[in-house]
Amino acid sequence: GQQVMQIPQYQHVQEGEDFTTYCNSSTTLSNIQWYKQRPGGHPVFLIQLVKSGEVKKQKRLTFQFGEAKKNSSLHITATQTTDVGTYFCAGQEGRYNFNKFYFGSGTKLNVKP
Amino acid sequence: DAGVTQSPTHLIKTRGQQVTLRCSPKSGHDTVSWYQQALGQGPQFIFQYYEEEERQRGNFPDRFSGHQFPNYSSELNVNALLLGDSALYLCASSLLAANTDTQYFGPGTRLTVL
Repeated sequence: GQQVMQIPQYQHVQEGEDFTTYCNSSTTLSNIQWYKQRPGGHPVFLIQLVKSGEVKKQKRLTFQFGEAKKNSSLHITATQTTDVGTYFCAGQEGRYNFNKFYFGSGTKLNVKP
Repeated sequence: DAGVTQSPTHLIKTRGQQVTLRCSPKSGHDTVSWYQQALGQGPQFIFQYYEEEERQRGNFPDRFSGHQFPNYSSELNVNALLLGDSALYLCASSLLAANTDTQYFGPGTRLTVL
């Protein structure tokens, strides 16, 4: 069955350092989403990638979708303490609702001031 | 603009009991998905409702059932609770006609089974 794996499980960085989390799917995805969950909170949608090789930027965050649409990455430049939380990728096989989203296990980011 | 709301916030039950969790989608949304998030894990898809019907289902037993009402709100029912059902249950809403898969999550219901 569909599996979405995410690495690393944990990442501890000093404020100002960069951070990257990687997501790999066992099957080809139609799209992938990224979420951030703060401690004690709920997942908050960050972005969706649909096209092969797509790259999107949100301020210090850069998201990539692999050419084969089986992997993705989230890179944060110059981390800040506000970046603390768990980052999840979620892959979808079909297109548009009525399809299941498979979440990775998340990467927990801790930023030391 | 009201976001996704869920009730109750916390719930404690004992093994074998039944529980009902409730979700009101974001204003204007018509699709509701339910997820189970165990501690330290990513959310696991339970099922999705649209037009009062279950449209997709994840790998969960029949003890997990749901319902969607004409006002798009939804319920998740779990029968014969097991210790392993202890988790954060998340509801996510979206709008089918928006041609996008953006999901908005509610704050969740923390279920503890003793």
